[in-house]
Amino acid sequence: DTAVSQTPKYLVTQMGNDKSIKCEQNLGHDTMYWYKQDSKKFLKIMFSYNNKELIINETVPNRFSPKSPDKAHLNLHINSLELGDSAVYFCASSQGGLFWQYFGPGTRLTVT
Amino acid sequence: GQNIDQPTEMTATEGAIVQINCTYQTSGFNGLFWYQQHAGEAPTFLSYNVLDGLEEKGRFSSFLSRSKGYSYLLLKELQMKDSASYLCAPLGAGSYQLTFGKGTKLSVIP
Repeated sequence: DTAVSQTPKYLVTQMGNDKSIKCEQNLGHDTMYWYKQDSKKFLKIMFSYNNKELIINETVPNRFSPKSPDKAHLNLHINSLELGDSAVYFCASSQGGLFWQYFGPGTRLTVT
Repeated sequence: GQNIDQPTEMTATEGAIVQINCTYQTSGFNGLFWYQQHAGEAPTFLSYNVLDGLEEKGRFSSFLSRSKGYSYLLLKELQMKDSASYLCAPLGAGSYQLTFGKGTKLSVIP
């Protein structure tokens, strides 16, 4: 009965590879987000989708491409991984933009 | 843009009361959230203030002054499990644009 789930939980890969992280929410929310939390624990928004449409796209390299096949899913694909991409990536969801967000458990990405 | 300031670390004793302050500057304002994040875990929602004043929820209370761009989170009867980072997050004018502060790491000691 997990509200927001992410896979994988851990991802270790080499520089230059392409990888994807998947996110699913079963709360019926219409808005989903991707955040990056770096080693200094700074949680920063990357993207937000409302009803499958992109509404926030912060300054993120275009190697990062979100995809929302439906309202319950928001996947993150990363091309040509770099060392600086190592971080914990959190998916979150909310009903609209004015309500609190439920966070997934996070995906710890390590690029070697 | 948005600017959020909160103390980096605080230490308090079990059973005591602690107040974590947050000052912010946002482009418009649609409320302020507080989240708790235990080490290695996801942030979890604690409170939401959109009007001035104090919102109480059990041992936790949150205060907002919109004119001063100021909020605080008050934790009473501290327990060891309250050791975590507390993130202040104002919601800007466009909604959806939740910006998190760097968080205050609270350590509760016996």
